[in-house]
Amino acid sequence: NAGVTQTPKFRILKIGQSMTLQCTQDMNHNYMYWYRQDPGMGLKLIYYSVGAGITDKGEVPNGYNVSRSTTEDFPLRLELAAPSQTSVYFCASNQVGRGNTEAFFGQGTRLTVV
Amino acid sequence: AQSVTQPDIHITVSEGASLELRCNYSYGATPYLFWYVQSPGQGLQLLLKYFSGDTLVQGIKGFEAEFKRSQSSFNLRKPSVHWSDAAEYFCAVGAGGADGLTFGKGTHLIIQP
Repeated sequence: NAGVTQTPKFRILKIGQSMTLQCTQDMNHNYMYWYRQDPGMGLKLIYYSVGAGITDKGEVPNGYNVSRSTTEDFPLRLELAAPSQTSVYFCASNQVGRGNTEAFFGQGTRLTVV
Repeated sequence: AQSVTQPDIHITVSEGASLELRCNYSYGATPYLFWYVQSPGQGLQLLLKYFSGDTLVQGIKGFEAEFKRSQSSFNLRKPSVHWSDAAEYFCAVGAGGADGLTFGKGTHLIIQP
């Protein structure tokens, strides 16, 4: 049972480059989330999805895009990387309705933009 | 809007001593409450959760938490800490949906020998 899997674990980007952070879950959860974690700030919600084909903005969506073509996958796209996007990114999933569960987290992606 | 306050940024406890980490929340309905632990360089691991029912919740690694609606609190406790408990602890509220989970800023726990 893999749970939530994120790739890559580490990445260094140059300013202006683009990349996609991958996230997949094998628990058939309907909700998926992307958070960023900055020192001393806790976790902030970037985007979330309530099911395949449906996404919406969280608290800090600027500079990011997401898609949810399947239940399992929820990639996060950075189009023009900026130093302010240096952070640790966590993907999470949970089931909401028909048996709520807690959120399960991936191991994180540490991104540095230079 | 929902919010979570963890008043203590750092706490230092001697090994073998008891521990209480504070968490206060603001939530419009009956809250779903969680405590997560994060070891350095790792993801978040669920310690315990409260959805409904008994207000004293038992979790993994000997932790427990008590939901007090009148105080809007969900404090985490452990009777005797071990050096391996040194980590960052996050309180969170919410059940998912438009607000996701709202996290506190975390409490960094240091264990003294």
